Amino acid sequence: GENVEQHPSTLSVQEGDSAVIKCTYSDSASNYFPWYKQELGKRPQLIIDIRSNVGEKKDQRIAVTLNKTAKHFSLHITETQPEDSAVYFCAAKFGNEKLTFGTGTRLTIIP
Amino acid sequence: DGGITQSPKYLFRKEGQNVTLSCEQNLNHDAMYWYRQDPGQGLRLIYYSQIVNDFQKGDIAEGYSVSREKKESFPLTVTSAQKNPTAFYLCASSRLADRHEQYFGPGTRLTVT
Repeated sequence: GENVEQHPSTLSVQEGDSAVIKCTYSDSASNYFPWYKQELGKRPQLIIDIRSNVGEKKDQRIAVTLNKTAKHFSLHITETQPEDSAVYFCAAKFGNEKLTFGTGTRLTIIP
Repeated sequence: DGGITQSPKYLFRKEGQNVTLSCEQNLNHDAMYWYRQDPGQGLRLIYYSQIVNDFQKGDIAEGYSVSREKKESFPLTVTSAQKNPTAFYLCASSRLADRHEQYFGPGTRLTVT
């Protein structure tokens, strides 16, 4: 089955700097890669996703890049703000199959 | 608030008792999922269902059971066979067509003593 590895497990970034979280996946047939943000005590929410026919997608301060050859994808957050502090999960999926999640990255923005 | 609800928010049970967690959605989604969340282990899939009266085991199904008698509802039973039932349980739903986004419920924190 699919395996998704996520690094780092914790990340502290000075406010205003950029944060990068990386994930690798095992199933080369995976074609959908979402990122979820989970604030303390709340439910995970989708923040951005990318499909395998696209190499990069951007939404304001958030971007995701996908390298299909290397089977890895990354989340980039620029100009970080205190409200970006949360746990971020990557995931991978093929077709209508189940999502496989990474183990999460706890991002802390230092004021 | 997303159209998917879970109840209760907190649940306490004695060891050896079965307990059922509720999950309801009014999004007309075809698929529903149950995840378990433990510190440092991300979201692990317990069971999922893509259609009424059908469901599949996820990665950690042992000690759990589900039913899908209605499209809107996907209850999870944590049985006494589950060795470490204390955890945060999240339910999610999604459409099976073009969009793959999973919408999560607020979760139920189960504590078994």
